[in-house]
Order: sequence, then structure tokens, then C-alpha cells
Amino acid sequence: GENVEQHPSTLSVQEGDSAVIKCTYSDSASNYFPWYKQELGKRPQLIIDIRSNVGEKKDQRIAVTLNKTAKHFSLHITETQPEDSAVYFCAARGYTGRRALTFGSGTRLQVQP
Amino acid sequence: GAVVSQHPSWVICKSGTSVKIECRSLDFQATTMFWYRQFPKQSLMLMATSNEGSKATYEQGVEKDKFLINHASLTLSTLTVTSAHPEDSSFYICSARDEAPSSYNEQFFGPGTRLTVL
Repeated sequence: GENVEQHPSTLSVQEGDSAVIKCTYSDSASNYFPWYKQELGKRPQLIIDIRSNVGEKKDQRIAVTLNKTAKHFSLHITETQPEDSAVYFCAARGYTGRRALTFGSGTRLQVQP
Repeated sequence: GAVVSQHPSWVICKSGTSVKIECRSLDFQATTMFWYRQFPKQSLMLMATSNEGSKATYEQGVEKDKFLINHASLTLSTLTVTSAHPEDSSFYICSARDEAPSSYNEQFFGPGTRLTVL
């Protein structure tokens, strides 16, 4: 099955700096890669996603890049703000089979004001 | 976006009792729903895939007789934790995928159920 690895596990940045979180996946058949933000005790919220036919996608301060050959994808947050502090999860999903998401281990982002 | 509800949001029970958690897709139909479990400071781990009108598919290591799943309609899946023990205490989250062609196949999560077994 799919295996998703995520780094780093914790990340502390100063307000206004950029943050980068990286994930690798194992199943070359995976074709959908969402990123979720989760605050304590709440459901994961989709912040951006990318499909395998696209190399990069951007939404305001958030961008995701995908390298299918290397099987890795990254989340980039620019101009970080204290309200960006949360746990971020990457995930991958295949085209066939059960089509459930396989999650990375999570990154706790702390933005220092 | 589409809405998935979950009930109850939290429950405290005694060891040995059973607890039922409901997951509903409020404005779309879902032939497939997913149940995840999340322990403190850990990731979401898929427990099982709930299939409308047929048996659930369980992930390796998840006891199907302990975690009973029923998906009786296109908008409702239930997870029953039978004979709950303290080690079952966790955050249980369901999700459903809107399979309409226009939906982009995004997966929507319920708000989660915090189960505490004393």
C-alpha cells in the first residue's frame, strides 16, 4: 500500500518568513495530493491540493509543488502569520482501489510573532 | 463545500460498554465513507472503508468484530466500538467523498468524535 513520509515534524519560523514542508510517497499510481491544516481538537481542513498532471499550484500565500519522477511534493507558505500555527498533514490517494487518503505524520508549525 | 456531520462530538463511557458514532453526508450522497482514528499528537490512521450496501473493508490490524461498521444508506455510516477499553480512547473522524462529476472528488471530513473510555 501507499506510504507517505513527512518532514520536518516540527517547524518554528518568525512571522513573515516562509515555511516549507516536504512529503514523499511510495505508490507511483497515486495521483491526488492534498494538504490539510488541523487545529487542536478539530477536523482537518483542506488548504490546497494538486493532481499528478500538474507540477505546481498556488493560492495566495500557499503553494504546492509536485515532482512525480522523484515522488515528492512540498507545501510552501510565504509571509507566515501567527494564525498559520497549526499541524499540517500531507496526504496521497491513488486512482484505483479503496481511494482512501494515506496521511503523512504531520508537521507542527509554530509562527513566532 | 459539502458538509459531513458526526455525532456525538464527544462521549465518555465505562470500560466494557459499546459506543455508536454516526457520520452523515448532509448535502451529497456517498457510496463510500472512511473511518479514521487519531491518537494524541499523531496522524490520522485509516481504520476501515465503509461501503453502502455491502461489508466494510478493514485495514490490517483493525478488528472487525470490535469496530462494527454499518453503511445502510447513501448518507449515513455508523461505527460502533464494542466492549470499549481505555486503549480505544481516541479521536474518531469520518470522511466522505463527493462522487459527483463536478465535485473534483474532494474528501470532506466530519468534525470528529472524542471517545474517552474510563
